[in-house]
Formats: sequence, C-alpha cells, structure tokens
Amino acid sequence: QQQVKQSPQSLIVQKGGISIINCAYENTAFDYFPWYQQFPGKGPALLIAIRPDVSEKKEGRFTISFNKSAKQFSLHIMDSQPGDSATYFCAASPYSGNTGKLIFGQGTTLQVKP
Amino acid sequence: DTEVTQTPKHLVMGMTNKKSLKCEQHMGHRAMYWYKQKAKKPPELMFVYSYEKLSINESVPSRFSPECPNSSLLNLHLHALQPEDSALYLCASSPTHRRQGSGAKNIQYFGAGTRLSVL
Repeated sequence: QQQVKQSPQSLIVQKGGISIINCAYENTAFDYFPWYQQFPGKGPALLIAIRPDVSEKKEGRFTISFNKSAKQFSLHIMDSQPGDSATYFCAASPYSGNTGKLIFGQGTTLQVKP
Repeated sequence: DTEVTQTPKHLVMGMTNKKSLKCEQHMGHRAMYWYKQKAKKPPELMFVYSYEKLSINESVPSRFSPECPNSSLLNLHLHALQPEDSALYLCASSPTHRRQGSGAKNIQYFGAGTRLSVL
C-alpha cells in the first residue's frame, strides 16, 4: 500500500532521444508526486512535481504525465543529453495524516550516450 | 539560496569510535531530516525534526543519536556503529514538516551527503 514501484531499473538512451521512466502506486491517499534527480556523489535534487488534479506538467525538457485512474505517473525527458545521465527517483507523499513523508521508488539509472 | 551544507563529506570510523555528522541550512526552514542511502537504493528516512523537536524516529538503532541545537543546525551522533552502517547519510530541510495546501511547503532540499565508512 505504501510502495511506489518504479521502472525500468536502468535505461540507456541516445543523445537527442526521449527517456521515459514510469512509476505506479496503490495508496489513493498519495497526492503529491515529485521527481528527484541524483548525480553521483550528490544529494537528490527536486526536478519537477505534480498533483493529481493535473494530467501533465512541463518544465523545459522535462514532462510529468499523470494518470489518476490507473494510479501511474511518468517522467519524460525530451532531447536527452549526456548531462542528464543520473539516477532518477519518483516519490509520493500522502496528505492524509499530514506528515509530508516521502515514499521513494527504487530509482532508475539513466545513461545518455553521445 | 537553497543550500543544505553537510560536513564532513567523507568519514571513516572504527566500530568503537564516536563521531558526529553536521548539517546546516540558512533558508529559515523549520523541518530537517536525516536519511540513509545505500548504493543504488533510494534514501531511507531516519529522523524528522520539526521546530527543533524530534517528530519522527523511523525505529533507528540507538547507536544513531540525532540532535537539533537550533533551527539551522542538525547533528547526527554516531557511536559503536557496525560495518553495515556504511552508507551515504543525507540531510534535508523543508519550510515545514506538515503538509499544507499544495505541498509546496514540504519540498525537501537535500545536502550532498556524508559518505560514511565503518571499518
């Protein structure tokens, strides 16, 4: 119930291609879905976030698509660049109980080849 | 400035040592967090401080002892650690701990972490 399932575990994309990472959840109490990007030796950095009342959110080359009925959300990275090579974590936060605790997916290691 | 500063960057300690990790933020955030992250795994929440009071302890062993001296500082005191405690320890902060409205006030900003090796 508290899990967020993320796939794929690893992804290799050519420069200029589209990278797609998917996440699924069960707990309908989740209502805030951030994506974090983590480079080796660094802490996670918030990339983009969405709430379930919106089906899509775009910031530059990064887009979150959200399907509330399927309880799935995904990150699309358009025109992927070698500098995007990093580990990406989706997360979910329940409003219920108001704790703000983040439940992380298992992560996807993205490699963008030049 | 959304910077969370952690020191030291690297730490090697023996199982009988006592050491401390330090975290500092000057964003006026009132919630601070300690996470543990193993290689190729997501961060695991350890502790949450809200308004300098311990709010959440995720059943962390007592060899880890958090301390929040003031609203800008968070320490993690380490004693009698085990080799399996070797990991990246991350500190994070957010404006508040409890969710309010859009959730924006709970956005967590992470530091770069302390890479801990226990021999």
